[in-house]
Amino acid sequence: DIVMTQSPDSLAVSLGERATINCKSSQSVLYSFNNKNYLAWYQQKPGQPPKLLIHWASTREYGIPDRFSGSGSGTDFTLTISNLQAEDVAVYYCQQYFTTPVTFGGGTTVEIK
Amino acid sequence: QVQLQESGPGLVKPSETLSLTCSVSGASINSDYWNWIRQPPGKGLEWIGFISHSGIMKSNPSLRGRVTMSLDTSKNQFSLNLSSITAADTAMYYCARGSGYSYGQIFDYWGQGILIFVSS
Repeated sequence: DIVMTQSPDSLAVSLGERATINCKSSQSVLYSFNNKNYLAWYQQKPGQPPKLLIHWASTREYGIPDRFSGSGSGTDFTLTISNLQAEDVAVYYCQQYFTTPVTFGGGTTVEIK
Repeated sequence: QVQLQESGPGLVKPSETLSLTCSVSGASINSDYWNWIRQPPGKGLEWIGFISHSGIMKSNPSLRGRVTMSLDTSKNQFSLNLSSITAADTAMYYCARGSGYSYGQIFDYWGQGILIFVSS
């Protein structure tokens, strides 16, 4: 299985500042034939199911604010939340869909400082 | 608007089989992939498996063959059976639509989840 490792486990950021979450895969999730990274990001608020934010490592889902951005390639990826808002308090997960079984990172909790 | 809703017992005894159903509205289960994902209390997400519109199934090898799934196209529902339940199976169980390929999908629509507690 591809192991997804997120860091940090949690972070506290002031309103309006930037939050950066890292995700590392144990093997590359980049398919050379189409040059796409099979990496997605989800947001989970308390008492709710996860919500898909980004796929192909950097493509935002429809309706996701542009303060959420994804970057990276191969084995190292980053989710950046710019201009943090109170409603962004949540746990964030990365997920690889390069191969079965799909696997998730352990999650990063974002709080307001 | 695609909506999914899980149903099933809240409490299951050890060694029994957990049976869950996911009702889908706003989309037909005659396309895409239909998944089960679980989350133990306070922990991360674990993919359980999927059944495709054509009836192809894949499950997480970590569950050691305890998983069976089925489709009911007449009711636009799909189901999960997880056998030989233990306390380690206590979790929130989500159904979700998978978009992608048989070797990997993203999950764009999720149910609200059903909490399953395993206890005698």
